[in-house]
Amino acid sequence: DGGITQSPKYLFRKEGQNVTLSCEQNLNHDAMYWYRQDPGQGLRLIYYSQIVNDFQKGDIAEGYSVSREKKESFPLTVTSAQKNPTAFYLCASRTRFGGTGELFFGEGSRLTVL
Amino acid sequence: EDKVVQSPLSLVVHEGDTVTLNCSYEVTNFRSLLWYKQEKKAPTFLFMLTSSGIEKKSGRLSSILDKKELSSILNITATQTGDSAIYLCAVCNNAGNMLTFGGGTRLMVKP
Repeated sequence: DGGITQSPKYLFRKEGQNVTLSCEQNLNHDAMYWYRQDPGQGLRLIYYSQIVNDFQKGDIAEGYSVSREKKESFPLTVTSAQKNPTAFYLCASRTRFGGTGELFFGEGSRLTVL
Repeated sequence: EDKVVQSPLSLVVHEGDTVTLNCSYEVTNFRSLLWYKQEKKAPTFLFMLTSSGIEKKSGRLSSILDKKELSSILNITATQTGDSAIYLCAVCNNAGNMLTFGGGTRLMVKP
Protein backbone atom coordinates (compact mmCIF):
# COMPACT_ATOMS: atom_id res chain seq x y z
CA ASP A 1 0.00 0.00 0.00
CA GLY A 2 1.25 3.47 -0.85
CA GLY A 3 1.39 5.95 1.95
CA ILE A 4 3.34 7.88 4.54
CA THR A 5 4.71 6.22 7.67
CA GLN A 6 5.64 8.20 10.73
CA SER A 7 7.39 6.80 13.76
CA PRO A 8 7.23 6.68 16.63
CA LYS A 9 3.54 7.36 17.20
CA TYR A 10 4.17 8.42 20.79
CA LEU A 11 7.40 9.74 22.25
CA PHE A 12 8.37 11.05 25.66
CA ARG A 13 11.44 13.19 26.08
CA LYS A 14 13.23 14.74 28.98
CA GLU A 15 14.08 18.41 28.80
CA GLY A 16 17.43 19.00 27.15
CA GLN A 17 17.28 15.95 24.89
CA ASN A 18 17.16 15.96 21.13
CA VAL A 19 14.69 13.60 19.46
CA THR A 20 14.27 12.58 15.84
CA LEU A 21 10.89 11.82 14.26
CA SER A 22 10.91 9.59 11.22
CA CYS A 23 8.87 10.12 8.07
CA GLU A 24 8.99 7.72 5.11
CA GLN A 25 6.84 7.81 1.98
CA ASN A 26 6.50 5.38 -0.92
CA LEU A 27 4.28 7.60 -3.04
CA ASN A 28 7.18 8.80 -5.21
CA HIS A 29 6.39 12.38 -4.17
CA ASP A 30 9.05 15.03 -4.59
CA ALA A 31 7.79 17.44 -1.93
CA MET A 32 7.64 16.67 1.78
CA TYR A 33 6.52 18.78 4.73
CA TRP A 34 6.54 18.86 8.52
CA TYR A 35 3.72 20.52 10.42
CA ARG A 36 3.15 21.07 14.10
CA GLN A 37 -0.32 21.01 15.65
CA ASP A 38 -1.12 22.21 19.15
CA PRO A 39 -4.34 21.12 20.90
CA GLY A 40 -7.47 22.40 19.20
CA GLN A 41 -5.48 24.38 16.66
CA GLY A 42 -4.55 24.29 12.99
CA LEU A 43 -1.28 23.25 11.39
CA ARG A 44 1.86 25.35 11.36
CA LEU A 45 4.65 24.67 8.88
CA ILE A 46 8.05 23.81 10.34
CA TYR A 47 10.12 22.83 7.29
CA TYR A 48 9.51 21.67 3.75
CA SER A 49 11.55 20.11 0.99
CA GLN A 50 10.83 20.24 -2.72
CA ILE A 51 13.68 17.99 -3.81
CA VAL A 52 16.42 15.79 -2.43
CA ASN A 53 19.23 17.65 -0.65
CA ASP A 54 17.23 20.86 -0.47
CA PHE A 55 14.84 22.20 2.18
CA GLN A 56 13.41 25.50 3.36
CA LYS A 57 12.27 26.89 6.69
CA GLY A 58 8.61 27.30 7.34
CA ASP A 59 6.93 29.65 9.79
CA ILE A 60 8.22 28.05 13.01
CA ALA A 61 11.60 26.47 12.17
CA GLU A 62 13.46 27.65 15.27
CA GLY A 63 14.55 24.73 17.43
CA TYR A 64 14.05 22.17 14.66
CA SER A 65 16.27 20.65 11.98
CA VAL A 66 15.68 18.37 9.00
CA SER A 67 17.56 16.48 6.31
CA ARG A 68 16.54 15.15 2.90
CA GLU A 69 19.18 12.69 1.78
CA LYS A 70 16.71 10.38 0.08
CA LYS A 71 13.50 11.11 -1.80
CA GLU A 72 11.55 8.76 0.45
CA SER A 73 12.72 10.11 3.79
CA PHE A 74 12.40 13.44 5.60
CA PRO A 75 13.31 13.10 9.30
CA LEU A 76 12.68 15.92 11.75
CA THR A 77 14.91 16.55 14.77
CA VAL A 78 13.43 18.43 17.69
CA THR A 79 16.40 19.97 19.45
CA SER A 80 16.77 21.14 23.01
CA ALA A 81 16.58 24.70 21.67
CA GLN A 82 12.86 24.25 21.00
CA LYS A 83 11.25 25.91 24.03
CA ASN A 84 7.87 24.22 23.92
CA PRO A 85 8.17 20.99 21.95
CA THR A 86 5.14 19.14 23.33
CA ALA A 87 2.83 18.86 20.34
CA PHE A 88 1.45 16.63 17.60
CA TYR A 89 3.73 16.46 14.56
CA LEU A 90 2.41 15.65 11.10
CA CYS A 91 4.48 14.76 8.06
CA ALA A 92 2.98 15.20 4.60
CA SER A 93 3.95 14.84 0.98
CA ARG A 94 2.63 15.81 -2.40
CA THR A 95 3.55 15.63 -6.03
CA ARG A 96 5.12 18.79 -7.40
CA PHE A 97 3.66 18.51 -10.86
CA GLY A 98 0.24 17.42 -12.01
CA GLY A 99 -2.27 15.65 -9.80
CA THR A 100 -4.71 17.49 -7.57
CA GLY A 101 -1.99 19.14 -5.53
CA GLU A 102 -3.41 17.74 -2.31
CA LEU A 103 -1.23 16.90 0.64
CA PHE A 104 -1.13 13.33 1.86
CA PHE A 105 -0.55 12.99 5.58
CA GLY A 106 1.01 10.43 7.86
CA GLU A 107 -0.70 9.35 11.08
CA GLY A 108 1.35 11.74 13.18
CA SER A 109 3.77 11.57 16.09
CA ARG A 110 2.79 12.87 19.51
CA LEU A 111 5.76 14.23 21.46
CA THR A 112 5.52 14.92 25.17
CA VAL A 113 8.31 16.59 27.11
CA LEU A 114 8.46 15.53 30.73
CA GLU B 1 3.07 36.65 5.11
CA ASP B 2 0.22 34.44 3.94
CA LYS B 3 -2.71 34.22 6.32
CA VAL B 4 -5.77 31.98 6.58
CA VAL B 5 -8.54 32.58 9.11
CA GLN B 6 -11.37 30.16 9.85
CA SER B 7 -14.60 30.80 11.67
CA PRO B 8 -16.22 29.88 13.90
CA LEU B 9 -13.51 28.37 16.12
CA SER B 10 -15.95 25.76 17.33
CA LEU B 11 -19.53 24.77 16.76
CA VAL B 12 -21.96 22.43 18.48
CA VAL B 13 -25.06 21.29 16.58
CA HIS B 14 -27.58 18.46 16.69
CA GLU B 15 -27.94 15.70 14.15
CA GLY B 16 -29.87 16.85 11.12
CA ASP B 17 -28.77 20.47 11.36
CA THR B 18 -27.03 22.23 8.48
CA VAL B 19 -23.73 24.00 9.16
CA THR B 20 -21.61 26.49 7.25
CA LEU B 21 -17.92 26.85 7.95
CA ASN B 22 -15.98 29.87 6.76
CA CYS B 23 -12.46 30.39 5.52
CA SER B 24 -10.91 33.71 4.51
CA TYR B 25 -7.40 34.24 3.24
CA GLU B 26 -4.70 36.72 2.38
CA VAL B 27 -2.23 35.02 0.08
CA THR B 28 0.34 36.33 -2.33
CA ASN B 29 -0.25 34.67 -5.68
CA PHE B 30 -3.19 32.43 -4.86
CA ARG B 31 -3.30 29.07 -6.60
CA SER B 32 -5.87 26.90 -4.83
CA LEU B 33 -7.80 26.40 -1.60
CA LEU B 34 -8.17 23.00 0.04
CA TRP B 35 -10.47 21.65 2.74
CA TYR B 36 -9.50 18.78 5.04
CA LYS B 37 -11.31 16.83 7.76
CA GLN B 38 -9.34 15.73 10.81
CA GLU B 39 -11.01 13.25 13.12
CA LYS B 40 -8.23 11.86 15.24
CA LYS B 41 -4.87 11.90 13.57
CA ALA B 42 -4.19 12.39 9.88
CA PRO B 43 -6.28 15.00 8.03
CA THR B 44 -8.17 13.59 5.08
CA PHE B 45 -8.71 15.53 1.88
CA LEU B 46 -12.19 16.83 1.06
CA PHE B 47 -12.02 19.40 -1.73
CA MET B 48 -9.68 21.51 -3.79
CA LEU B 49 -11.04 24.75 -5.26
CA THR B 50 -9.35 26.86 -7.88
CA SER B 51 -12.14 28.69 -9.69
CA SER B 52 -14.58 31.17 -8.25
CA GLY B 53 -18.26 30.30 -8.18
CA ILE B 54 -17.98 26.62 -9.04
CA GLU B 55 -19.40 24.40 -6.32
CA LYS B 56 -17.70 21.16 -5.46
CA LYS B 57 -19.98 18.54 -3.95
CA SER B 58 -19.52 15.19 -2.29
CA GLY B 59 -22.58 13.67 -0.68
CA ARG B 60 -23.78 15.99 2.07
CA LEU B 61 -20.69 18.20 1.84
CA SER B 62 -20.23 21.04 -0.59
CA SER B 63 -17.83 23.93 -0.95
CA ILE B 64 -17.46 27.06 -3.03
CA LEU B 65 -14.76 29.66 -3.55
CA ASP B 66 -15.22 33.42 -3.88
CA LYS B 67 -12.00 34.95 -5.17
CA LYS B 68 -13.43 38.45 -5.06
CA GLU B 69 -14.14 38.13 -1.35
CA LEU B 70 -11.03 36.00 -0.76
CA SER B 71 -13.08 33.39 1.01
CA SER B 72 -14.61 29.95 0.86
CA ILE B 73 -17.41 28.17 2.66
CA LEU B 74 -17.90 24.51 3.48
CA ASN B 75 -21.51 23.39 3.91
CA ILE B 76 -22.60 20.20 5.59
CA THR B 77 -26.28 19.32 5.36
CA ALA B 78 -28.20 16.81 7.51
CA THR B 79 -25.24 16.50 9.88
CA GLN B 80 -24.43 13.17 11.54
CA THR B 81 -22.35 12.35 14.60
CA GLY B 82 -19.67 11.04 12.24
CA ASP B 83 -19.19 14.58 10.95
CA SER B 84 -17.69 15.57 14.31
CA ALA B 85 -14.13 16.62 13.55
CA ILE B 86 -11.80 19.54 13.05
CA TYR B 87 -12.22 21.04 9.59
CA LEU B 88 -9.10 22.62 8.18
CA CYS B 89 -8.81 25.10 5.35
CA ALA B 90 -5.49 25.58 3.53
CA VAL B 91 -4.35 27.85 0.74
CA CYS B 92 -1.66 27.03 -1.79
CA ASN B 93 0.47 29.73 -3.39
CA ASN B 94 1.11 30.00 -7.08
CA ALA B 95 4.54 28.46 -6.83
CA GLY B 96 2.71 25.42 -5.53
CA ASN B 97 5.27 24.79 -2.85
CA MET B 98 3.57 25.94 0.31
CA LEU B 99 0.23 25.35 1.95
CA THR B 100 -0.80 27.72 4.70
CA PHE B 101 -3.42 26.32 7.09
CA GLY B 102 -6.04 28.13 9.09
CA GLY B 103 -6.65 27.42 12.76
CA GLY B 104 -9.47 25.00 12.02
CA THR B 105 -13.11 24.79 13.08
CA ARG B 106 -14.00 22.15 15.64
CA LEU B 107 -17.44 20.74 14.89
CA MET B 108 -19.32 18.60 17.36
CA VAL B 109 -22.56 16.96 16.28
CA LYS B 110 -24.74 15.71 19.13
CA PRO B 111 -27.24 12.87 18.71
